[in-house]
Amino acid sequence: NAGVMQNPRHLVRRRGQEARLRCSPMKGHSHVYWYRQLPEEGLKFMVYLQKENIIDESGMPKERFSAEFPKEGPSILRIQQVVRGDSAAYFCASSPGTGDTDTQYFGPGTRLTVL
Amino acid sequence: AQKVTQAQTEISVVEKEDVTLDCVYETRDTTYYLFWYKQPPSGELVFLIRRNSFDEQNEISGRYSWNFQKSTSSFNFTITASQVVDSAVYFCAPRSYNTDKLIFGTGTRLQVFP
Repeated sequence: NAGVMQNPRHLVRRRGQEARLRCSPMKGHSHVYWYRQLPEEGLKFMVYLQKENIIDESGMPKERFSAEFPKEGPSILRIQQVVRGDSAAYFCASSPGTGDTDTQYFGPGTRLTVL
Repeated sequence: AQKVTQAQTEISVVEKEDVTLDCVYETRDTTYYLFWYKQPPSGELVFLIRRNSFDEQNEISGRYSWNFQKSTSSFNFTITASQVVDSAVYFCAPRSYNTDKLIFGTGTRLQVFP
């Protein structure tokens, strides 16, 4: 049973370009979460999605960031017009449901470097 | 407001020593969930344990044990007979019952020397 998959593992972008990060949840999991980890810090929640729905985006920056989890295919975290401050590790997690089945399992992360 | 504190920034031990990692979660919620994750040097996050606030029974699993005391809001994690492979950053990450987001502590870096 494959775990949470994220690609790419490393992404380098120049200022002003767009970054697209992909996350495929574990098989049977319908809940996806995105977190950001700045260097030497803990993870910060960004957004929680279910298929075709954004449930909680309280941690998303107001501009340039968007997320989706379409009916088919992986979840996408999109960062437009990247700036150096966007350099971080972005982790995706998935869970099978809520309540007692809501343990979040994390992918390996995508390390974004903005030059 | 909720607050997670991992006061130990870094701990160094020699192999086979026992080590306890501290976590304090301050909240007004009576129901919440507590998670520990491990982040080895390779960077991925590994789930270790989940506990519910209404279950104060402590638990032992192999070399790992957990001590949860709701009265002091502490959820501590002990590794017995540490090994070099235990070297990692350990994160305490609670979640309130009425939200889906984990609140991560700042982490404790554990270094186990041979």
